[in-house]
Amino acid sequence: GENVEQHPSTLSVQEGDSAVIKCTYSDSASNYFPWYKQELGKRPQLIIDIRSNVGEKKDQRIAVTLNKTAKHFSLHITETQPEDSAVYFCAASIKTSYDKVIFGPGTSLSVIP
Amino acid sequence: DVKVTQSSRYLVKRTGEKVFLECVQDMDHENMFWYRQDPGLGLRLIYFSYDVKMKEKGDIPEGYSVSREKKERFSLILESASTNQTSMYLCASSLPRGVRQPQHFGDGTRLSIL
Repeated sequence: GENVEQHPSTLSVQEGDSAVIKCTYSDSASNYFPWYKQELGKRPQLIIDIRSNVGEKKDQRIAVTLNKTAKHFSLHITETQPEDSAVYFCAASIKTSYDKVIFGPGTSLSVIP
Repeated sequence: DVKVTQSSRYLVKRTGEKVFLECVQDMDHENMFWYRQDPGLGLRLIYFSYDVKMKEKGDIPEGYSVSREKKERFSLILESASTNQTSMYLCASSLPRGVRQPQHFGDGTRLSIL
């Protein structure tokens, strides 16, 4: 069945450094890729998403890149701050349903002041 | 701003009990979802509803059922609770089919089955 892998599972960076989280997906028909951030004890919230007709999207310190040929997509956070510490989930849409996505297992990011 | 409200943040039940988790959204979204969140496994879809009285099984539906009698409310039912259903349960809603929009989540219900 469809699957989304996510690496690394944990990531520690110094404040001000960059963080990169990578995901791969199995369904070649996937065309929507959202990223969610979940702070401790809070709900997951969308931080950025990308559609398959775009290779890269940026929003201030956050960027996402998509390589459809390799079925990879990545989240890049620059100039990390302590408030970026959270669990990040990538997801990919499923061809059998317009509205369902499969989530990756998550990456726990710690930004050390 | 979309509001998805889950009825309980914490819930403790006993093995064999019938458990109801309630979710209400205020944005007239057609789609509603129930997920289970466990460490290292991400969010796994239990059930999905795309309209009133319409539902689809997700990846882990065994031991669960759902009810959607009104558009704004989606209930998850544990027919006979077991200890392996101890988990965090998240409800979400989104705009309808064909419109790729993000899902909006509730705060979650941490359910413990003793």
